[in-house]
Amino acid sequence: KAGVTQTPRYLIKTRGQQVTLSCSPISGHRSVSWYQQTPGQGLQFLFEYFSETQRNKGNFPGRFSGRQFSNSRSEMNVSTLELGDSALYLCASSLTPDSDTYEQYFGPGTRLTVT
Amino acid sequence: AQSVTQLDSHVSVSEGTPVLLRCNYSSSYSPSLFWYVQHPNKGLQLLLKYTSAATLVKGINGFEAEFKKSETSFHLTKPSAHMSDAAEYFCVLNRDDKIIFGKGTRLHILP
Repeated sequence: KAGVTQTPRYLIKTRGQQVTLSCSPISGHRSVSWYQQTPGQGLQFLFEYFSETQRNKGNFPGRFSGRQFSNSRSEMNVSTLELGDSALYLCASSLTPDSDTYEQYFGPGTRLTVT
Repeated sequence: AQSVTQLDSHVSVSEGTPVLLRCNYSSSYSPSLFWYVQHPNKGLQLLLKYTSAATLVKGINGFEAEFKKSETSFHLTKPSAHMSDAAEYFCVLNRDDKIIFGKGTRLHILP
């Protein structure tokens, strides 16, 4: 079974631009979560989608948004990029968001560099 | 408030010696707890999880962790370190769909 895939793997953007990252979950998984990883802040939760609905959202500004499609694939968008948005963005999928059996499988991440 | 504290940002052990990575949590109710490993330039991989069944949890690659409610701890151990264990390890708490990552512990293996 194929793992979680994220595209693109690397991205360089300039301040003020916007960017869209894509995540394809493991086949059959319906829950997708996004995380931002930086050396200073560590791993921070961005948001989680399940059945095309956003279930949870972390403490990030409205420039960060996402969506999930009917096939469970998810996209994350960041508008008006800032230098501080440079990070590794990780996507994780799980069968459901049931916390008792919550087992996430992570993709390799998209490394975003903002110049 | 719920939180996860990984007590050491870096741990160095010699190959063949035991590994101990410490994690303390704070939660009003019994949480689900996980350990993940991240190798350089890779995504995170689940090592093991605790979900209120057995308090001693065995994971992949010889790792195990013990849930101690009285100490609010979930330390990760391995009897004998291998060079391939060099990576960053994250303790994660999940309660009421709130997912909280620890800051991570970088494990260095000395030859």
